[in-house]
Amino acid sequence: QKEVEQNSGPLSVPEGAIASLNCTYSDRGSQSFFWYRQYSGKSPELIMFIYSNGDKEDGRFTAQLNKASQYVSLLIRDSQPSDSATYLCAVGIGFGNEKLTFGTGTRLTIIP
Amino acid sequence: EAGVTQFPSHSVIEKGQTVTLRCDPISGHDNLYWYRRVMGKEIKFLLHFVKESKQDESGMPNNRFLAERTGGTYSTLKVQPAELEDSGVYFCASSQDPGGMLDTQYFGPGTRLTVL
Repeated sequence: QKEVEQNSGPLSVPEGAIASLNCTYSDRGSQSFFWYRQYSGKSPELIMFIYSNGDKEDGRFTAQLNKASQYVSLLIRDSQPSDSATYLCAVGIGFGNEKLTFGTGTRLTIIP
Repeated sequence: EAGVTQFPSHSVIEKGQTVTLRCDPISGHDNLYWYRRVMGKEIKFLLHFVKESKQDESGMPNNRFLAERTGGTYSTLKVQPAELEDSGVYFCASSQDPGGMLDTQYFGPGTRLTVL
């Protein structure tokens, strides 16, 4: 079993719809959870982080964390073609200043 | 403010040669990390510096890899001798403050290494 699992996709979503990206992790001691967006050939760009159970909203993005189920998700509302990218879920044992464990990423395509 | 920079962006070498990758973190960031992504796999941690000290090098694959961060500023990652399986994209990341609740890692553009 991989430490961080994501559906590799591709996930296709119509423009304006909600894109839902999911991630599960195996280490119950994990404390911090990050979503990075990576355009092809570019660096991973942090878009959301979450530490506490529940929802965290930032603009069109909402991160959801359920530690009991070891599950973290990212919702993108009003999807735009510019949201087309690979989304990487990353998990840390502490609060961000140590190694991150990544999933393989989900490739998201927004269809105009 | 400049982001994390890496040099070179691409490197093509032959098996058995030596390659040195460089990373310049965001100014003022004490934490510096090296990660690697081989084709089709996830990004994997290699090591973590706090200033010039190696905090965690548990991800270094073998002794052909040597990382340094003299003076606690930029870092180099040397692969000597390079093998075919070393091919991949090497990312560097930095973060600001050990122990801070809001530490996040900012990634550089990566160095794509191809070993022939």
